[in-house]
Amino acid sequence: TAGITQAPTSQILAAGRSMTLRCTQDMRHNAMYWYRQDLGLGLRLIHYSNTAGTTGKGEVPDGYSVSRANTDDFPLTLASAVPSQTSVYFCASSDRSAGSEAFFGQGTRLTVV
Amino acid sequence: EDKVVQSPLSLVVHEGDTVTLNCSYEVTNFRSLLWYKQEKKAPTFLFMLTSSGIEKKSGRLSSILDKKELFSILNITATQTGDSAIYLCAVGVSGAQKLVFGQGTRLTINP
Repeated sequence: TAGITQAPTSQILAAGRSMTLRCTQDMRHNAMYWYRQDLGLGLRLIHYSNTAGTTGKGEVPDGYSVSRANTDDFPLTLASAVPSQTSVYFCASSDRSAGSEAFFGQGTRLTVV
Repeated sequence: EDKVVQSPLSLVVHEGDTVTLNCSYEVTNFRSLLWYKQEKKAPTFLFMLTSSGIEKKSGRLSSILDKKELFSILNITATQTGDSAIYLCAVGVSGAQKLVFGQGTRLTINP
């Protein structure tokens, strides 16, 4: 079972460029999330989606956008990358809304230079 | 503001020792508390706790929740080098529909 697949695994991006981080799950989970993980700060929620067609802002949404056209895919877009967006990005999903076990992808390490 | 605080942030012990990791929280609408282990990449699920005073156990790991005092502990007995990891505590918040994570505890087990 693939679970959650993120792509790319890592990327170096020039400041000002745009990029989309891909996330696909095959578990038919309703809820999906994007987190960023920075040293000493734990995992911080960027955006979430409780079901296809709906999205919501997390605690650090600025500079990021998401869409949820279907159940399986939840791409995260950086419209104009800045160095402070250098981080490890994790996509996660759960079969219900917040409070149930979330399954994580392997992460995307993004460096903005 | 919803907040989850873990302590200590870092811990180094010898193999065979017992460790206790702490997680305290302040959230608007508590739904559950979850523990994850993160080694190299993705966090992996350990426990989910929703009721006070009921211990969850898996091998050498156990966890308990106190909803009155708003904290949880994760115990690891007879530690092994394979227990070295970052341990993450997260709280599920109803209404806002999110998991709020603490900073994590980096546990290092020396042989």
